[in-house]
Amino acid sequence: QSALTQPASVSGSPGQSITISCTGTSSDVGDYNYVSWYQQHPGKAPKLMIYDVSNRPSGVSNRFSGSKSGNTASLTISGLQAEDEADYYCSSYTSISTWVFGGGTKLTVL
Amino acid sequence: QLQLQESGPGLVKPSETLSLACSVSGGSISSSSYYWGWIRQPPGKGLEWIGSKYYSGSTYYNPSLKSRVTISVDTSKNLFSLKLSSVTAADTAVYYCARHQKQWLGDAFDIWGQGTMVTVSS
Repeated sequence: QSALTQPASVSGSPGQSITISCTGTSSDVGDYNYVSWYQQHPGKAPKLMIYDVSNRPSGVSNRFSGSKSGNTASLTISGLQAEDEADYYCSSYTSISTWVFGGGTKLTVL
Repeated sequence: QLQLQESGPGLVKPSETLSLACSVSGGSISSSSYYWGWIRQPPGKGLEWIGSKYYSGSTYYNPSLKSRVTISVDTSKNLFSLKLSSVTAADTAVYYCARHQKQWLGDAFDIWGQGTMVTVSS
C-alpha cells in the first residue's frame, strides 16, 4: 500500500490560517470517512487532533478542523500560534482492512 | 487515565528478531472498544503502521511487513507485544504502541506510548 500524499512543508504567520492536504485514492480516503490527523512535536509521540474526517477529541482546540472532498482530506488550522509548529500526519483506513499514514507535513510558524 | 509504555532491547543484530512489549496501565486491554497497535518511525522519516490486534482475535498487518510480523496480546499481564523477524538496518526506527479505537468509536490511534528507539546493527 502506498503512503497518502501530503505536502512536505507549509508555513504561515501567527494569526493566519493554513490548510494541509492529504491525497489518497478511491480505496482509502475516497471511500471511507475514517481519516485522522496527528500532530507531532520533535522528540515526542504523535497526538490525535482529528478523527473520522472532522471530529475533534476532547481537549483539542477548535482552531483545528478537518474536511474531505473526493480522494483528498484537509486539515485547517486557524489563528496560527507558535505552539502549532510541528509535523502533521494524516491516516486513513483502506479497503483491504489496513491503515496507511501520509508522509507528513512540517508546519513552520513564521 | 490510560497509559502505554514500550519496553525491549534498544539494539538488535541483523537477521535476528526484534521483540517489544507495551504495558497498559489505567485500563483493561480486554476492552471490546479497542484494537492495540504498533506504529514505527525511522529516523527523520514519517510514520508507518505495522499492525493492530483485538484482544480476543482479529489481527491486521501492514502487507509489506506481514510475513515478518506477529502481534500478540497477554490479558493476564495487560500487555501486548510485537515480534519482527529477520531484521535489517531498514527496521531501525522509533517504535510506538498505541490504543486503536474501533470505528464505531471513531477510527483513530487515540493514545500513544512515548516510543522506544530500536537500532539494528552488528
